[in-house]
Amino acid sequence: GAVVSQHPSWVICKSGTSVKIECRSLDFQATTMFWYRQFPKQSLMLMATSNEGSKATYEQGVEKDKFLINHASLTLSTLTVTSAHPEDSSFYICSARAPRDSTASPLHFGNGTRLTVT
Amino acid sequence: SQQGEEDPQALSIQEGENATMNCSYKTSINNLQWYRQNSGRGLVHLILIRSNEREKHSGRLRVTLDTSKKSSSLLITASRAADTASYFCATTLFQAGTALIFGKGTTLSVSS
Repeated sequence: GAVVSQHPSWVICKSGTSVKIECRSLDFQATTMFWYRQFPKQSLMLMATSNEGSKATYEQGVEKDKFLINHASLTLSTLTVTSAHPEDSSFYICSARAPRDSTASPLHFGNGTRLTVT
Repeated sequence: SQQGEEDPQALSIQEGENATMNCSYKTSINNLQWYRQNSGRGLVHLILIRSNEREKHSGRLRVTLDTSKKSSSLLITASRAADTASYFCATTLFQAGTALIFGKGTTLSVSS
């Protein structure tokens, strides 16, 4: 089945530094990937939709200059948290849908990245 | 944005018992999906029910959908300790893009 790999699984960084999270579709090409954020004991909140070869579409309230998304190939999307602050500490999860799947089909999720900003 | 509201927020049962989780949503949907999340992990798709379907089964899972009430339920029968996880409903909206919008989730704890 479709596998989405996310790296790193956890990262600790100092306040003010930037962190890059990678999301790869291993056995399929993903024209669209989705980035979610999840705080402890809460649900997933959609941050942005990443489209291969074009700019990401951000949800209301998500700062595009802080959360940089690059989807340069059909198998890789990256999320960079720039100038991270403790309030950015969260669980970030990417997901993708294979091109052959309809827009109503399930998403395939990575295992998430636990970001802790000290 | 949040679309679904699950209840209960937390559910504790014994192995062998059935677990029922409910989800309500606000706007018209294309389909409704249920996902499972083990602690600190990504999500795993469980089952999808289309807006023109009323009930669907998959193994020990039974999902119902009532579009008139904008609600869905997930029943897990003969629960096992390994079913301990958080369960989320998610919807694909007709008028929105193709992303999933998730409910708040139900945390299920099954003790042996």
